[in-house]
Amino acid sequence: DAGITQSPRHKVTETGTPVTLRCHQTENHRYMYWYRQDPGHGLRLIHYSYGVKDTDKGEVSDGYSVSRSKTEDFLLTLESATSSQTSVYFCAISQSDGTYEQYFGPGTRLTVT
Amino acid sequence: GDSVTQMEGPVTLSEEAFLTINCTYTATGYPSLFWYVQYPGEGLQLLLKATKADDKGSNKGFEATYRKETTSFHLEKGSVQVSDSAVYFCALKGTSYDKVIFGPGTSLSVIP
Repeated sequence: DAGITQSPRHKVTETGTPVTLRCHQTENHRYMYWYRQDPGHGLRLIHYSYGVKDTDKGEVSDGYSVSRSKTEDFLLTLESATSSQTSVYFCAISQSDGTYEQYFGPGTRLTVT
Repeated sequence: GDSVTQMEGPVTLSEEAFLTINCTYTATGYPSLFWYVQYPGEGLQLLLKATKADDKGSNKGFEATYRKETTSFHLEKGSVQVSDSAVYFCALKGTSYDKVIFGPGTSLSVIP
């Protein structure tokens, strides 16, 4: 199994508070992704990174920011959490060898009350 | 833009039944195609892939063939088991961007 961990695995927070989710990999893969998964919407890309300090927006990036200061860590920040950001968040990684196979972390369940 | 369409679920089958989950795509050029599986409470796992027309991906008894002429990548299994109960996602990676596009997922339940 690809070495991907996410922390925390579960979090409950209040509306308006900042939240940071962490994705850590031990595979030295170039690409890292943050998705959210919601019933009826499948998997939606929030942001992704194609290298240290190189990031780009996905289809649902509003309200989220990311940072990647090291190859192994990709942080997702909700600056001011809202109830609409209650979701399960998945991190994924992939190599740049042309296959683009993605390996997923176990997910973080975030509840904003 | 590029997109993936999957059959709506949920799909319920009896054990040992034949499974087909339809997937069609819209993309320019020759994308790579994937099937991912998500078991309850877990992240997605790559099930199989195909990178060029007429390629057949296979794994764990599942198969899918990359059909350029019909822009399809249908998932099949000859005899499903209860342990195959999961959500299945069809996905594609186009040639001009760094992202993978996922379909909405199809939930499969296999009953004994």
